[in-house]
Amino acid sequence: AQTVTQSQPEMSVQEAETVTLSCTYDTSESDYYLFWYKQPPSRQMILVIRQEAYKQQNATENRFSVNFQKAAKSFSLKISDSQLGDAAMYFCARLRGKLIFGQGTELSVKP
Amino acid sequence: EPEVTQTPSHQVTQMGQEVILRCVPISNHLYFYWYRQILGQKVEFLVSFYNNEISEKSEIFDDQFSVERPDGSNFTLKIRSTKLEDSAMYFCASSLIQGMGQPQHFGDGTRLSIL
Repeated sequence: AQTVTQSQPEMSVQEAETVTLSCTYDTSESDYYLFWYKQPPSRQMILVIRQEAYKQQNATENRFSVNFQKAAKSFSLKISDSQLGDAAMYFCARLRGKLIFGQGTELSVKP
Repeated sequence: EPEVTQTPSHQVTQMGQEVILRCVPISNHLYFYWYRQILGQKVEFLVSFYNNEISEKSEIFDDQFSVERPDGSNFTLKIRSTKLEDSAMYFCASSLIQGMGQPQHFGDGTRLSIL
């Protein structure tokens, strides 16, 4: 089965601290693409970061970075210097023509 | 920055009625998608569309659903006879090409409430 699993339904972080959201996936392909999307209370789907499986270097986008472990099929998102505006649902997704999403992790940021 | 637009933002419909959800994808994009998110659940793929035909659909996308690109700019999702379980957020997305890591850009969604 081509699944994406987020094992943390909820996470909490103190403002200005760092938090890591976990994601694992299942695939038999060697080349694929992974994404993190952010869904704030407004329920928009906002692209946060993208990782190409054939690139060993972890993607970084300002305060957001990933820890991509291809052998372990793990793709975690690290948010540094957390801000109140980071509070949202975060979805990990794998691209296989369509996007296959995980269940999401609700991140709250404490002031 | 170009964006995907969806209308209406909220649709309330009686069970059994037909509903059409509308989307205007990013103008130079070639691939179009519909996803659904039941409240509190993950986002699920419904259908992808390219070159005026469905390229892939999920089990959810049964005979009650149809998609159309009527005029070269709009992309619509029709639910023929709505059921209570169709209540969800429906997202339209588009991408320039399919695969190759091209991100799909999402609209703000249409909240569909079936009474």
